[in-house]
Amino acid sequence: DTGVSQDPRHKITKRGQNVTFRCDPISEHNRLYWYRQTLGQGPEFLTYFQNEAQLEKSRLLSDRFSAERPKGSFSTLEIQRTEQGDSAMYLCASSFAENTIYFGEGSWLTVV
Amino acid sequence: AQTVTQSQPEMSVQEAETVTLSCTYDTSESDYYLFWYKQPPSRQMILVIRQEAYKQQNATENRFSVNFQKAAKSFSLKISDSQLGDAAMYFCAYRSVGAGGTSYGKLTFGQGTILTVHP
Repeated sequence: DTGVSQDPRHKITKRGQNVTFRCDPISEHNRLYWYRQTLGQGPEFLTYFQNEAQLEKSRLLSDRFSAERPKGSFSTLEIQRTEQGDSAMYLCASSFAENTIYFGEGSWLTVV
Repeated sequence: AQTVTQSQPEMSVQEAETVTLSCTYDTSESDYYLFWYKQPPSRQMILVIRQEAYKQQNATENRFSVNFQKAAKSFSLKISDSQLGDAAMYFCAYRSVGAGGTSYGKLTFGQGTILTVHP
């Protein structure tokens, strides 16, 4: 069990470009979550998958954001036409049912 | 919607001493989970302790214990015998339990408390 892994760990992009983050949850975890965290703040919920079904999306997830979890395994979070306000750490987490939620190390995004 | 408030942006403690971090929350639900997570400078969030709201007994994990006051909607974390490795940002978090006992899964976090441990 290697834990929740995220890739890339750091990404610097120019405003207007698209970026994609990948999350590999702990194997056999059926639930997967994406959060966004800015410096000095608590994580904010973005979206949640149970298997391949996206069951809840936050209003923070604008039309420029899309998340997928094909086949109920890894997940991707894509941000289109990035803006400076998108600069943050994007955290992925997973759990099996209602058990403990485990977090990855996060993917830092800097939009310049 | 549930909210979680941590009113102490920063706390400090001497090594081997005890410190208490405060957390209050607002909810209309009767059944839920509460958590304390630790986020060291390496940034990976680690679960410290978990409390089920239906349990009256306060959770304890080694040097970490909570004081859960359901009526007051208060959930404080006590760290005994503080160690240098306890230095981190600590987050209090709330998780709903939906109808039929199925959790909606989402964690709602407080703003965090930075804990400094002095040798």
